[in-house]
Amino acid sequence: ELKVEQNPLFLSMQEGKNYTIYCNYSTTSDRLYWYRQDPGKSLESLFVLLSNGAVKQEGRLMASLDTKARLSTLHITAAVHDLSATYFCAVDGGGNDMRFGAGTRLTVKP
Amino acid sequence: DAGVIQSPRHEVTEMGQEVTLRCKPISGHNSLFWYRQTMMRGLELLIYFNNNVPIDDSGMPEDRFSAKMPNASFSTLKIQPSEPRDSAVYFCASSAPGQGNSPLHFGNGTRLTVT
Repeated sequence: ELKVEQNPLFLSMQEGKNYTIYCNYSTTSDRLYWYRQDPGKSLESLFVLLSNGAVKQEGRLMASLDTKARLSTLHITAAVHDLSATYFCAVDGGGNDMRFGAGTRLTVKP
Repeated sequence: DAGVIQSPRHEVTEMGQEVTLRCKPISGHNSLFWYRQTMMRGLELLIYFNNNVPIDDSGMPEDRFSAKMPNASFSTLKIQPSEPRDSAVYFCASSAPGQGNSPLHFGNGTRLTVT
């Protein structure tokens, strides 16, 4: 069974700092997704990574995928308060079997 | 594009009652997913459909849970009888046809409380 592990699960950082969230998965896949969830809200798609070495950037967030290591990273550059949310990675295990990590709750403090 | 529409937004019911959650996927999307979110267990995939056909229901907790997709524009998740441990937020999501490249589009969820 496909397992997806994220770390850290909780991240408190100061504005202006950089940090990386890691997502490891247990079986071969070349389709990985990052989502954001604000408290009490639904999930919204951030990035779709579809091949080894894929890198996507949007504002202060950059996501990458290493399918050989079964690892994706979400890098935060110069964090701002608006980035406070829970971030999920999800892996397609084949045939749309989409499994989510436990989420990383990010708090950015002034 | 109205997005994925779920109803009701909130449901409070007593243990033993039947609960039906509803979902309308985005028009043209051919995959539909039901997830349950709790603090303890995170996001759990309950069941998903491709072209209205259930593909994997191994995540359905037990026989009290059932899901149907009678057509491309409607799905239901039923819990009968409901129990307090079923309290959670239930999300429906859909994705577009293709090679699995499309992200999931989530509805706003149904917050279920079973007392």
